[in-house]
Amino acid sequence: SAVISQKPSRDICQRGTSLTIQCQVDSQVTMMFWYRQQPGQSLTLIATANQGSEATYESGFVIDKFPISRPNLTFSTLTVSNMSPEDSSIYLCSGTGITDTQYFGPGTRLTVL
Amino acid sequence: AQTVTQSQPEMSVQEAETVTLSCTYDTSESDYYLFWYKQPPSRQMILVIRQEAYKQQNATENRFSVNFQKAAKSFSLKISDSQLGDAAMYFCAYRRSWEYGNKLVFGAGTILRVKS
Repeated sequence: SAVISQKPSRDICQRGTSLTIQCQVDSQVTMMFWYRQQPGQSLTLIATANQGSEATYESGFVIDKFPISRPNLTFSTLTVSNMSPEDSSIYLCSGTGITDTQYFGPGTRLTVL
Repeated sequence: AQTVTQSQPEMSVQEAETVTLSCTYDTSESDYYLFWYKQPPSRQMILVIRQEAYKQQNATENRFSVNFQKAAKSFSLKISDSQLGDAAMYFCAYRRSWEYGNKLVFGAGTILRVKS
């Protein structure tokens, strides 16, 4: 299985600022994803992070608001830009390894004031 | 589009007893994968069990087993000998076959409470 870490684990930010979340995997993964989860709710896929190319976004999510990078097979970042209180949520990254099973990071709890 | 439905927002079970969590899904595909994930208060999503649609045999992992009914599009999770550490939110998830990517579609989740 893959072990996935995220930084920061939580943050409190001011409206209008941006936050970059880092995701590190301990082994090479074929695909990486970013999800958003409102407390007590299910997970919603934001985008698939593609190595060396632009991320593939799901309906309702755009690159200007959630720019994503993936410079190599084990690392990705998600930026939440120009934040508003509606962006308060848990953000999780995940990766799929050779076993084809998706493993998740511990999540980043974001609060926007 | 594929959808996953968990009709039980919350379930309770007495310690050492058995509980079944329900999940139904909608798809026109014949080849796909189904998963149960557990999310305790720590937020860490933990894979509980996985089922390939082409396999008729139900998957089992220690105290966890599934009842996979492909024709009925049903995928329930049975937890035997429930333990306090089983208390968590449980998510059922669907994924199309690999050539369509590994995107997971999640159900709304079921909160499982374990009583001592």
